[in-house]
Amino acid sequence: ETGVTQTPRHLVMGMTNKKSLKCEQHLGHNAMYWYKQSAKKPLELMFVYSLEERVENNSVPSRFSPECPNSSHLFLHLHTLQPEDSALYLCASSQRVTGELFFGEGSRLTVL
Amino acid sequence: DAKTTQPNSMESNEEEPVHLPCNHSTISGTDYIHWYRQLPSQGPEYVIHGLTSNVNNRMASLAIAEDRKSSTLILHRATLRDAAVYYCILRDGGGSNYKLTFGKGTLLTVNP
Repeated sequence: ETGVTQTPRHLVMGMTNKKSLKCEQHLGHNAMYWYKQSAKKPLELMFVYSLEERVENNSVPSRFSPECPNSSHLFLHLHTLQPEDSALYLCASSQRVTGELFFGEGSRLTVL
Repeated sequence: DAKTTQPNSMESNEEEPVHLPCNHSTISGTDYIHWYRQLPSQGPEYVIHGLTSNVNNRMASLAIAEDRKSSTLILHRATLRDAAVYYCILRDGGGSNYKLTFGKGTLLTVNP
């Protein structure tokens, strides 16, 4: 049990679909993150939320839309994705924005 | 973020110590040295971090050079479960930089 739960673990979607990834942390942290991990590439930071306010958008295309309704939940809304968006999407949380990150197990996304 | 340099891969035998090196010659005075690892099909996992002094925890030890331009993660007795990609990362402890940037890391193979 990592304390950070991501659902679904696997998702297959077409380019015209709309889907969402969900992340929930049970650690009482106040910062949450989305990372993308493509095959054979380093993890890429996508978004950072601190106290439910977005503090970082790392030049991510608008077809990815994050939402942080409270400090325990983080969503990544997906629409009109491209096949190159297929990757492992990892959620993480930390006690503060400079603290150690605790990661979930990721959502494996395949875009057809 | 200040950059780190790690070997692409290392190999070890089970129950032997492993020393994973990291060079960070451009480290600044407020940068903490963090280590994470990523087991196959899982999200990254925090291992250890330090600033100037050597650090020990239940997972590993971190040896930091006196000039702080390099560090070594030490696994005292490698097990098959330690086979993973190990990331050495610098994190600004000053509070303004919340980006945790991952490089390619070192792929550790543990032989039975």
